[in-house]
Amino acid sequence: DTGVSQNPRHKITKRGQNVTFRCDPISEHNRLYWYRQTLGQGPEFLTYFQNEAQLEKSRLLSDRFSAERPKGSFSTLEIQRTEQGDSAMYLCASRAGVGNEQFFGPGTRLTVL
Amino acid sequence: AQSVAQPEDQVNVAEGNPLTVKCTYSVSGNPYLFWYVQYPNRGLQFLLKYITGDNLVKGSYGFEAEFNKSQTSFHLKKPSALVSDSALYFCAVRGFGNEKLTFGTGTRLTIIP
Repeated sequence: DTGVSQNPRHKITKRGQNVTFRCDPISEHNRLYWYRQTLGQGPEFLTYFQNEAQLEKSRLLSDRFSAERPKGSFSTLEIQRTEQGDSAMYLCASRAGVGNEQFFGPGTRLTVL
Repeated sequence: AQSVAQPEDQVNVAEGNPLTVKCTYSVSGNPYLFWYVQYPNRGLQFLLKYITGDNLVKGSYGFEAEFNKSQTSFHLKKPSALVSDSALYFCAVRGFGNEKLTFGTGTRLTIIP
């Protein structure tokens, strides 16, 4: 399968713990995006990479959130000192330079107790 | 700023009947418009897009959408609904030169056998 993959698919953690999610984009897609989706809402943009450069961050991305894409391939999203309000589905997407649609992974569902 | 409105939270259609899911948008400049479908506990699946050209675009699974610039709308349509079309549908927009997608709140489509 050559789609976008995300790991883990589910994560349950206690408030105050740190969590890290991984996204593997479609091969050769140089653009990678992170979104957050809460129940009953559409996905909301968090951040965007072109190759290894993080070019845009949403105001939703507080100081507790950090994302990296060190070699321009996979990306990680870390949340430090998790809060209950961080409970959501975290979606990753990738896009080729010449195409226009973003292709989404299955998401990581985070539950903060 | 860019935004999307999906005025109907829920649409119910009898199997075999035509369906329409409504979407209006606001964006500076020419819009790039997309429809995605989401099945339970899954990521978003791309259906179709409007970038330029013909106002009627065709996509996956027999879906089509009509771009109307004067009404700033991009309604999703299908001539004959299937029970398997039941899912959550999201309309999304991005402006030219803008990387982030802005999504609507989604419309739950239920096809009644």
